[in-house]
Amino acid sequence: DIQMTQSPSSLSASVGDRVTITCRARQSISTFLNWYQQKPGEAPKLLIYAASTLESGVPSRFSGSGSGTDFTLTISSLQPEDSATYYCQQSYNTAYTFGQGTKLEI
Amino acid sequence: EVQLMESGGGLVQRGGSLRLSCAGSGFTFSSYSMNWVRQAPGKGLEWVSYICSSCSEKYYADSVKGRFTISRDNAKNTLYLQMNGLRDEDTAVYYCVRDGATMVRGAPVRFFQHWGQGTLVTVSS
Repeated sequence: DIQMTQSPSSLSASVGDRVTITCRARQSISTFLNWYQQKPGEAPKLLIYAASTLESGVPSRFSGSGSGTDFTLTISSLQPEDSATYYCQQSYNTAYTFGQGTKLEI
Repeated sequence: EVQLMESGGGLVQRGGSLRLSCAGSGFTFSSYSMNWVRQAPGKGLEWVSYICSSCSEKYYADSVKGRFTISRDNAKNTLYLQMNGLRDEDTAVYYCVRDGATMVRGAPVRFFQHWGQGTLVTVSS
């Protein structure tokens, strides 16, 4: 299985801040990388797929970049509703794996 | 609107069996690949199983291979997960997830596009 490692595991930031979460794959996965947001008590929600494509309806303050082994999720101007846990996930092979999650507190 | 409604969760004894169901609506169920993803209490997400739209391809996480079976009935717009030989570590919320896909440089990139609200499975001794 392809191990996915996110950093940091948690962070605290303020409204209006720019925040970056990093995801690293143990091997190259091209751009087969997706990002999800999960709020407490809710199902996860797709934010970005194929490393940089914004899912329909997701605010444009969210963006993704990267290829190969290193990827980033950036929130350009934090809003209170962005408080959540964020997961990366590889779909390079069908043994899909997630990162351990990054808990963002605002 | 895409809707996925899981059912069948509950309390089961270690070594027991349970069958989860997921009813899909608001989309052409037979055209989409489907997955089960689980989340143990207070933990992260773990993909469990995948089935393609025509049922010909099925994949499982190593942690459930040989114990869980994914299936679907496209006539009933329903996805299933038969879980046998349940262990303590199978305790989790189980989400039914519809695939999305896009092409990047000629290769399909899959992602988990729509999620149900989940059903809780608790394995107890």
